[in-house]
Amino acid sequence: EVQLVESGGGLVQPGGSLRLSCAASGFTFSSYEMNWVRRAPGKGLEWVSYISYSGSTIYYADSVKGRFTISRDNAKNSLYLQMNSLRAEDTAVYYCARESLYSSSWFYFDYWGQGTLVTVSS
Amino acid sequence: DIQMTQSPSSLSASVGDRVTITCRASQSISTYLNWYQQKPGKAPKLLIYAASSLQSGAPSRFSGSGSGTDFTLTISSLQPEDFATYYCQQSYSTPRTFGQGTKLEIK
Repeated sequence: EVQLVESGGGLVQPGGSLRLSCAASGFTFSSYEMNWVRRAPGKGLEWVSYISYSGSTIYYADSVKGRFTISRDNAKNSLYLQMNSLRAEDTAVYYCARESLYSSSWFYFDYWGQGTLVTVSS
Repeated sequence: DIQMTQSPSSLSASVGDRVTITCRASQSISTYLNWYQQKPGKAPKLLIYAASSLQSGAPSRFSGSGSGTDFTLTISSLQPEDFATYYCQQSYSTPRTFGQGTKLEIK
């Protein structure tokens, strides 16, 4: 059974840092691209970051570029999101999501973790 | 960046109703369109990918259609468990943008 379990969320002051983790099991983690997606209170889903299966290709949303760093450790079946210079608007539930491909062209997020809450407040 | 606009933002319907949600892309995205369902306090769940392909395990009352810039998600006969928020997502380019969501409520 595919499982994604996020951890590391919590309350942090503006300007602070936090590192989120996503532990994967039930599939060959090193064969899949991964993403972070967030949902702020009262808002919709916002894609945050992508990392290729090898870690060689990385993308960020403009809203977090230069402040967040995505990484992965395939030996540990784990995905990470290092969040620096946090702002109030980064307050959200953060989800890790596995990306799958259909017919080598269409991708979609087929498995999601339960999410971890990050609250940025003084 | 490609903008995704859903309509309506909220919708009230009754069990047994046929419901359609629309998603419009700011530029042509062929059939690179996914639909997700999210219930309060739960992770999003994939329903439809590639505009019209039903994800394994998703009920057959859900269907998707469209190409280019205009897409629809249809629920043929609403069930109590379908009351949730629905999101479209384009998979044509990065950033992988979502629509703002459509909240489906019980009438």
